[in-house]
Amino acid sequence: GAVVSQHPSRVICKSGTSVKIECRSLDFQATTMFWYRQFPKKSLMLMATSNEGSKATYEQGVEKDKFLINHASLTLSTLTVTSAHPEDSSFYICSAINRGAIYFGEGSWLTVV
Amino acid sequence: GENVEQHPSTLSVQEGDSAVIKCTYSDSASNYFPWYKQELGKRPQLIIDIRSNVGEKKDQRIAVTLNKTAKHFSLHITETQPEDSAVYFCAASIEVAAGNKLTFGGGTRVLVKP
Repeated sequence: GAVVSQHPSRVICKSGTSVKIECRSLDFQATTMFWYRQFPKKSLMLMATSNEGSKATYEQGVEKDKFLINHASLTLSTLTVTSAHPEDSSFYICSAINRGAIYFGEGSWLTVV
Repeated sequence: GENVEQHPSTLSVQEGDSAVIKCTYSDSASNYFPWYKQELGKRPQLIIDIRSNVGEKKDQRIAVTLNKTAKHFSLHITETQPEDSAVYFCAASIEVAAGNKLTFGGGTRVLVKP
């Protein structure tokens, strides 16, 4: 099946700094990727839809200036958490669609200290 | 937008018994309903899905039923085993295509006791 890879799997950053998470489709092209956030013991909440070559579509309540999404190629979308705060600590996971099936990345644990 | 409710939030069953998780959705246009199993710190894994043109689908010990009229769908796991312990999520979507997003239920934490 298709593979979606995320990097890094775990990252610790200091408050006020920015951190970038990458989502790659390894063996297919994805014009659209999705970014989710999952707090401990909670469900996956869609943050935004990443569109190749155009602006991302953000869900209500998600700050687009804080969570920057770039989808510069058909195989890579990046999520940058800017000016990170401890409350941004969470599990971030991306997904992409290939041939009618949804594939998730491994997820990235972000801890802001 | 779509809203998916999932019950129960936790489910404890004895090994060998059956487990049933129920979900309701709000958007009658939704026609794709996947179920995911997620272990702690891991990505969700698709275990079964159903499209609105069928009412039931089975894969070994796992089955899903769909009632479009009532807008609810259920996951049935028979002969549960300890390795079935995980968090299960239902989801709903309008087709599986670029730009069509999944809306997840709140999740059910299943514990299978040996």
